[in-house]
Amino acid sequence: EPEVTQTPSHQVTQMGQEVILRCVPISNHLYFYWYRQILGQKVEFLVSFYNNEISEKSEIFDDQFSVERPDGSNFTLKIRSTKLEDSAMYFCASSEAGYTFGSGTRLTVV
Amino acid sequence: RKEVEQDPGPFNVPEGATVAFNCTYSNSASQSFFWYRQDCRKEPKLLMSVYSSGNEDGRFTAQLNRASQYISLLIRDSKLSDSATYLCVVTVGSSNTGKLIFGQGTTLQVKP
Repeated sequence: EPEVTQTPSHQVTQMGQEVILRCVPISNHLYFYWYRQILGQKVEFLVSFYNNEISEKSEIFDDQFSVERPDGSNFTLKIRSTKLEDSAMYFCASSEAGYTFGSGTRLTVV
Repeated sequence: RKEVEQDPGPFNVPEGATVAFNCTYSNSASQSFFWYRQDCRKEPKLLMSVYSSGNEDGRFTAQLNRASQYISLLIRDSKLSDSATYLCVVTVGSSNTGKLIFGQGTTLQVKP
């Protein structure tokens, strides 16, 4: 069964550093997403991406965040100048006729 | 008001029990409805879609009441492996590609 692959599975970074979370969506999917889940809280939508541009973003997705599809397979989330409150699980998903989530990257900001 | 509201639980039930979860949503324009399952520190996985006429998948039955903006999930004959957090999810846009709006989740613990 096709999978959405995320790397790394766990990233520890110092406050103020930049991180890039990577995702390989399912190859024939055209819609890509990032969601995050702070420990003990609900899963929250960050951004959706279609046709090489952002189609929708949430209030959380401010100037600190950016997404990119640098080539035909990867989809990345960059977080500039990380803050302690950015610590969360970040889930990538892709969709064509239904969603598939990746297994997530646990980001810990210290 | 929260967009999707669930009783967080936990629900502690013995094996074989029947358990029901409820969910309400605030946006009357919501178009598609789902129950997802999430195991500890794992990604959400689709359990089932929810249709207005109600639908069943084995031991799981989902119901939708659009007038009351209410969704339910019934699990019969609970198994130990059903222990997880159950997420009520709605979309406002396309059911296949619109953003998902998650509830907080209801935790189920099935005990021997």
